Amino acid sequence: RKEVEQDPGPFNVPEGATVAFNCTYSNSASQSFFWYRQDCRKEPKLLMSVYSSGNEDGRFTAQLNRASQYISLLIRDSKLSDSATYLCVVPSGGYQKVTFGTGTKLQVIP
Amino acid sequence: GAVVSQHPSRVICKSGTSVKIECRSLDFQATTMFWYRQFPKKSLMLMATSNEGSKATYEQGVEKDKFLINHASLTLSTLTVTSAHPEDSSFYICSATGIGTAVGNTNTEAFFGQGTRLTVV
Repeated sequence: RKEVEQDPGPFNVPEGATVAFNCTYSNSASQSFFWYRQDCRKEPKLLMSVYSSGNEDGRFTAQLNRASQYISLLIRDSKLSDSATYLCVVPSGGYQKVTFGTGTKLQVIP
Repeated sequence: GAVVSQHPSRVICKSGTSVKIECRSLDFQATTMFWYRQFPKKSLMLMATSNEGSKATYEQGVEKDKFLINHASLTLSTLTVTSAHPEDSSFYICSATGIGTAVGNTNTEAFFGQGTRLTVV
């Protein structure tokens, strides 16, 4: 099993739709998880942190399922500006080792 | 959030020459810096981790003699691609964690530089 695994997509969704991505991880000792957003040819930017069961910020909800070792990102009421690649990040050892997922590409279409 | 400045943002060099990329933390002390490489349509791949004042730890498959990393101060790390070849053309990004960037419990957030697009011709 890969350390961090994501469905690469692309997910093509219409504006206003709800879309969810999953990210599975192999290290059961991981304590924190992050979702980053990366626009084409730009650096990744932190979108959400997940330390316990979940986190919600406006239209974005991140959830953690420790038993099944996955985290999810839910985007409600998709906007055109949400089009990007979403990276799942699983640090370990206090960020001494960081593993990125391959990213899930989202394309919101008008 | 904290600011990490990476320079240059874009560089084109001839095959066989060396290129230096700088990564600076502007408003915090970066005790740890990470260097990543991203090929088109691929994920970010960690190349090496450097702690201030000590030698970098390279990931498997990354040539330490080719990718020289120096982290001599708490605000500056450099990556030098020596004797660059076309296959080294990629997007290189640094990120930093350290004092002043802690969020949540004891885990820290990483802040990314803007990235450097290297093209070797």
